[in-house]
Amino acid sequence: QVQLQESGPGLVKPSQTLSLICTVSGGSITSGGYYWSWIRQHPGKGLEWIGYIYYSGTTYYNPSLKSRLIISIDTSKNQFSLKLSSVTAADTAVYYCARVATIFGVAVDYWGQGTLVTVSS
Amino acid sequence: QSVLTQPPSASGTPGQRVTISCSGSNSNIGTNNVYWYQQLPGTAPKLLIYKNNQRPSGVPDRFSGSKSGTSASLAISGLRSEDEADYYCAAWDDSLNGSYVFGTGTKVTVL
Repeated sequence: QVQLQESGPGLVKPSQTLSLICTVSGGSITSGGYYWSWIRQHPGKGLEWIGYIYYSGTTYYNPSLKSRLIISIDTSKNQFSLKLSSVTAADTAVYYCARVATIFGVAVDYWGQGTLVTVSS
Repeated sequence: QSVLTQPPSASGTPGQRVTISCSGSNSNIGTNNVYWYQQLPGTAPKLLIYKNNQRPSGVPDRFSGSKSGTSASLAISGLRSEDEADYYCAAWDDSLNGSYVFGTGTKVTVL
């Protein structure tokens, strides 16, 4: 059973960089056919796709966040990470890491529990 | 802002059938598969339907999906109290260099 767990600061100051790590257990991050994804949900709102990365390092980013976003992968640690720069209060959200399984198309079949990140001074 | 539009709410009594619509465009639903997710209160979303009408293992056959043109629908038959949740459609959008887009979400209430 694959499990994903987000970790990182729950509070970030405006203009700084939000950094999160997702640790994958129960399966290898280098298994083919999976994209490792970040998705966020603003408080009381809907879901927003941030981007995803393949184990080779190929990335796909949400065009609206691309200029501030870096998603990277560390296969030796079975982890992938998110860095979002120049944050504002609008980046306050629950951040989920997740797995996209291409056998299902572009479907997110496993999700982390989510971590709330608040942007505030 | 989402490019997939859903009704904000839907409701039914236990045993009834509820249908949720998802309206998009040629760049997303019109040319790509649709996915549906269920989000119970305080939890991460769960995959309900993939590739328009396929159910992952473990999802009851009370849930069914369909697609026609630039719209899709999720139907819940034999509504149960545990179906009370938020439901989101999603699809890949080919515009703007590609992006995975979610619907606005529908809150299903079991009366």
